[in-house]
Amino acid sequence: NAGVTQTPKFQVLKTGQSMTLQCAQDMNHEYMSWYRQDPGMGLRLIHYSVGAGITDQGEVPNGYNVSRSTTEDFPLRLLSAAPSQTSVYFCASSYTVLAGTYNEQFFGPGTRLTVL
Amino acid sequence: GESVGLHLPTLSVQEGDNSIINCAYSNSASDYFIWYKQESGKGPQFIIDIRSNMDKRQGQRVTVLLNKTVKHLSLQIAATQPGDSAVYFCAEDSPFDAGNMLTFGGGTRLMVKP
Repeated sequence: NAGVTQTPKFQVLKTGQSMTLQCAQDMNHEYMSWYRQDPGMGLRLIHYSVGAGITDQGEVPNGYNVSRSTTEDFPLRLLSAAPSQTSVYFCASSYTVLAGTYNEQFFGPGTRLTVL
Repeated sequence: GESVGLHLPTLSVQEGDNSIINCAYSNSASDYFIWYKQESGKGPQFIIDIRSNMDKRQGQRVTVLLNKTVKHLSLQIAATQPGDSAVYFCAEDSPFDAGNMLTFGGGTRLMVKP
């Protein structure tokens, strides 16, 4: 298994440009999520999905869109990039969970995004 | 809002010594507490977790202690090795959501001196 894969590894955008960060997993995980990590800080949840066709907002969703058309893929779209979105983005997946339970999350290697 | 935090941003230890990384949390309703290791340029890697109804859990060379009275979590690494050098995050899982919505602390950098 390749686990959780993310592309691209690095990206530089100009303010106002749009782009899609790709995330895929081959573990048949129902739950997928996107986090951002700013320097010296922990990860913050952007959006998550508990299964194909279902998405919801996390802690910092503004400026980002997601969709989940298949179990394997969970792309993150930046609609109009801003310098405040300069960060490292991590995708994660796990088996489905019920409230009050926890399943180990597997993280991808990250995408380092710089917005000029 | 509720948050998970860490006491020390950097911890430097001698190879072979034991390491203790601390974390304070504020959400007493959290069900699970998890430790992640993040090496430079990589995504976080799961180390160990502990459920809120436990005080201690042991893994291979790692032990997590949970003190609910003072809302404190610690990760102990025995016989620290150079490969343990990384940033360590604690995270907590809310029992009220339908997924693995983790709240992360700011991280502690562990540096192992040879």
